[in-house]
Amino acid sequence: AQTVTQSQPEMSVQEAETVTLSCTYDTSENNYYLFWYKQPPSRQMILVIRQEAYKQQNATENRFSVNFQKAAKSFSLKISDSQLGDTAMYFCALYNTNAGKSTFGDGTTLTVKP
Amino acid sequence: ETGVTQSPTHLIKTRGQQVTLRCSSQSGHNTVSWYQQALGQGPQFIFQYYREEENGRGNFPPRFSGLQFPNYSSELNVNALELDDSALYLCASRREVGDQETQYFGPGTRLLVL
Repeated sequence: AQTVTQSQPEMSVQEAETVTLSCTYDTSENNYYLFWYKQPPSRQMILVIRQEAYKQQNATENRFSVNFQKAAKSFSLKISDSQLGDTAMYFCALYNTNAGKSTFGDGTTLTVKP
Repeated sequence: ETGVTQSPTHLIKTRGQQVTLRCSSQSGHNTVSWYQQALGQGPQFIFQYYREEENGRGNFPPRFSGLQFPNYSSELNVNALELDDSALYLCASRREVGDQETQYFGPGTRLLVL
């Protein structure tokens, strides 16, 4: 079984500041990918950033970066210079390549305040 | 935005009825996954199809079934609808099962069972 846990149901941050969203996971597989998705109020799920489990280097995508701690099974998302358009629900997800199965956390609602 | 479309956008059914939801993937995407997202929760993996065969399934009963067609379209069928089936249903596609690229989500179909 694989699980994904997001322990922060809601967070808020001031515009231009930095915020970190937490995610922990559990899997017995070695071949997997981790993702952060953003789901704005319009509800279309959009990829924010992905991390291959076999890569030690943390992924970075513009203002978004992750802190991937494989041994601790932790995968946090850092958003720098927060913008009003970052307001959304953020989901952490694990994709098990062998089983073809994706598992999502319950999400963190992020509000960026002006 | 993602090249993945779903129809219909909204649907109302009564308990015991059957429903078919449709998804059109990006051209060349051989893998499609379906998810159920209850209000305020993360998406739950229903199943994945690769080249018209189911190759991964979550904890959903057999009354949830699917089809994938050679033209990159797919269907999710739900028989004997229950009130708890009310949710947003998302499909997502990727090129191959182990594709390093992410999956692209459609906008979803909102199903209400009365």
